[in-house]
Amino acid sequence: GAVVSQHPSRVICKSGTSVKIECRSLDFQATTMFWYRQFPKQSLMLMATSNEGSKATYEQGVEKDKFLINHASLTLSTLTVTSAHPEDSSFYICSAKQGTLLEYFGPGTRLTVL
Amino acid sequence: KQEVTQIPAALSVPEGENLVLNCSFTDSAIYNLQWFRQDPGKGLTSLLLIQSSQREQTSGRLNASLDKSSGRSTLYIAASQPGDSATYLCASSQGGSEKLVFGKGTKLTVNP
Repeated sequence: GAVVSQHPSRVICKSGTSVKIECRSLDFQATTMFWYRQFPKQSLMLMATSNEGSKATYEQGVEKDKFLINHASLTLSTLTVTSAHPEDSSFYICSAKQGTLLEYFGPGTRLTVL
Repeated sequence: KQEVTQIPAALSVPEGENLVLNCSFTDSAIYNLQWFRQDPGKGLTSLLLIQSSQREQTSGRLNASLDKSSGRSTLYIAASQPGDSATYLCASSQGGSEKLVFGKGTKLTVNP
């Protein structure tokens, strides 16, 4: 099956710093990538949808200036959490789709902001 | 706005038991419904996908059903094993949108 990787798997940073998370589709070209956030014992909440070469579409309530998404190629999307604060601590998961086919999920990135 | 609910939030069963996990959704105009498995601190693994025109899908010991009119889906796990212990999530997508709306999941523990 299709493989999606994320890097890093976990990151700890100080409040006020920026953190970049990478999402890669390893064996297929992803026309669309999604970024989700999951708080403990909560649902996955969609943050934004990104299509290669165009600006990401953010869900209501998600600050686009704080969560910068770049989808520079068909195999790579990045999420940058700018000026991170403790409330941004969460599990961030990306997924990728090729056309209308299945959505494949990455292993997630645990972000802890001190 | 679609809302997906999963009950119970947690379930503990002895090994070998058959069990049913429940998922309900408020908007019956779904495109498809998926069941996922999530192990602690990990990403999601897709288990079954049911298209809106289908009523059930089967894979090994897993069977998922879909009843759009009542807004419900069930995941049946036969002869449960300790390795089945995980959180099971259901998610629906609506026609015209590729977005998935997730439930909070049911945390399953199968005791040896």
